[in-house]
Amino acid sequence: GAGVSQTPSNKVTEKGKYVELRCDPISGHTALYWYRQSLGQGPEFLIYFQGTGAADDSGLPNDRFFAVRPEGSVSTLKIQRTERGDSAVYLCASSPSPGLGYGYTFGSGTRLTVV
Amino acid sequence: QQPVQSPQAVILREGEDAVINCSSSKALYSVHWYRQKHGEAPVFLMILLKGGEQKGHDKISASFNEKKQQSSLYLTASQLSYSGTYFCGTEHAGNMLTFGGGTRLMVKP
Repeated sequence: GAGVSQTPSNKVTEKGKYVELRCDPISGHTALYWYRQSLGQGPEFLIYFQGTGAADDSGLPNDRFFAVRPEGSVSTLKIQRTERGDSAVYLCASSPSPGLGYGYTFGSGTRLTVV
Repeated sequence: QQPVQSPQAVILREGEDAVINCSSSKALYSVHWYRQKHGEAPVFLMILLKGGEQKGHDKISASFNEKKQQSSLYLTASQLSYSGTYFCGTEHAGNMLTFGGGTRLMVKP
């Protein structure tokens, strides 16, 4: 596609529920990144995929968070037993290839609110 | 470790210049700069690679001092459209970026 697409744009869920956030990167971009951003702060790294595999998941805060990218394109971030502290904007970004001087293209994000 | 940006906020009149600094405690492979307007996604401005030269386009340029592990973003003759929050992202190894806390820039007429 023309840009990075994230769905839904907004998600309100009750504490304890399970949510899935979807990211559709730019076609042909092999690197895909998930970040989350709280109000007034910079994006915080969660996980990075190179192709289908998670190359670095060191930013996932705990085992309630999990992400997949089974075919090397679309990725899904999954959050189990959501907590109010999970409320944030979840940003997805893609780039043609990591480490070769390409910038990231970000999606518009999913605003997650846990009530 | 998160890079440190300074200043945290700056207010300019149209036509004035600004410098935003980004400092890291670890050796850098590259530095990225992004601008984010309220409610929108961050937009890539430029990347500076280790061993590379100062980059720029139009009236926005940046430098990278590898020895000091610092980068600076220069905005000259600012325009209203420059308003937003500027983030530096630093790459150390492993091909992912760590972002600073941001610098809020407001350009007034």
